[in-house]
Amino acid sequence: DAKTTQPNSMESNEEEPVHLPCNHSTISGTDYIHWYRQLPSQGPEYVIHGLTSNVNNRMASLAIAEDRKSSTLILHRATLRDAAVYYCILSSTGANNLFFGTGTRLTVIP
Amino acid sequence: DAGVTQSPTHLIKTRGQHVTLRCSPISGHKSVSWYQQVLGQGPQFIFQYYEKEERGRGNFPDRFSARQFPNYSSELNVNALLLGDSALYLCASSFFYADTQYFGPGTRLTVL
Repeated sequence: DAKTTQPNSMESNEEEPVHLPCNHSTISGTDYIHWYRQLPSQGPEYVIHGLTSNVNNRMASLAIAEDRKSSTLILHRATLRDAAVYYCILSSTGANNLFFGTGTRLTVIP
Repeated sequence: DAGVTQSPTHLIKTRGQHVTLRCSPISGHKSVSWYQQVLGQGPQFIFQYYEKEERGRGNFPDRFSARQFPNYSSELNVNALLLGDSALYLCASSFFYADTQYFGPGTRLTVL
């Protein structure tokens, strides 16, 4: 499985945008970039995924570098409920498992 | 719509015992995956089932087994429990085996 590198932790002020980076220099052409988050005492929650183009949904935006070796999850206005561990995961087309690293623990400061 | 449900929520067992964990996928989903999450780490893939057939297996010993039923629900069985099996066991479902996975709340297993 292609690996991802994320900072261990980040802090953000409430109602400010948050940019969570992820490096994946060994990504292959068929790898999708997935983001999940895990709130305390809950199972992981799907956030967003993309292949080459930037993606937006109601939860977040995903910005993918042109060479696909890095990506950034963007939370447009952080709330206290966004405090969680965020995982950046690569999954190739047709793959049947997700390889979770240790993720980035996001702390939102009121 | 109901999400992925898992039972029981919490479980305490002693070393050497056997445990069965259950998972009901989102209605219409045909694939179920199981993950183990040890405290402080990300989830680790154990099994995936699709249409009642095993589609993938992670690096876990043979003490771990699973099956999927005709209604697409699934069971994870762990035999001869060890202290190191203490973890949060997560079930995820997806419509297709390579589709986006949606996770349940997990079963917290403590082995004493």
